[in-house]
Amino acid sequence: NAGVTQTPKFQVLKTGQSMTLQCAQDMNHNSMYWYRQDPGMGLRLIYYSASEGTTDKGEVPNGYNVSRLNKREFSLRLESAAPSQTSVYFCASSDRQGLTAQYFGPGTRLLVL
Amino acid sequence: AQSVTQLGSHVSVSEGALVLLRCNYSSSVPPYLFWYVQYPNQGLQLLLKYTSAATLVKGINGFEAEFKKSETSFHLTKPSAHMSDAAEYFCAVSDGAGGYQKVTFGIGTKLQVIP
Repeated sequence: NAGVTQTPKFQVLKTGQSMTLQCAQDMNHNSMYWYRQDPGMGLRLIYYSASEGTTDKGEVPNGYNVSRLNKREFSLRLESAAPSQTSVYFCASSDRQGLTAQYFGPGTRLLVL
Repeated sequence: AQSVTQLGSHVSVSEGALVLLRCNYSSSVPPYLFWYVQYPNQGLQLLLKYTSAATLVKGINGFEAEFKKSETSFHLTKPSAHMSDAAEYFCAVSDGAGGYQKVTFGIGTKLQVIP
């Protein structure tokens, strides 16, 4: 089992460019999440998908969109990147929403110039 | 609303000394509580979780945590620190109520182990 995989690992964007972060899990989990991690702020939830076919906003959704492509895949899109979106992005999945542990991918480090 | 407070953003201990990382939570319903560890340039990994069974929870790598409802605490301990324990540790709470259970993470505590 690969667990949760994320691509790319690193990305540099110019302000206004767009990109999609990819995430896939092979644990047959129902729920998937996108977080951003910034120094001194812990993890903040951007969007989540409680089950296939549903997505909802988290704590900091502005400037992002998501797609739950199927049960395995959950992508995060930045339509017009801004320097404030420079961060480390983590995808996670879990079996039963918040009741069980979340399994995290290795992260994507994004720099927006 | 649920919240987590981790006391001390940085903690230093000597190798072989007791590790104590503090976590206090706020939740309107019985909580589910988690400790995660993050090594440099990696994602978070689950250390242990409390889900209303035994109040003393044992996790991986010799860590354990005790749920104390009266103190709303879930502190993480390890009797003897090892160099490999140097990492960032996150406490998290989920309220466990029906529907979607949001997980709230603390801001993290960086553990330094001094040889």
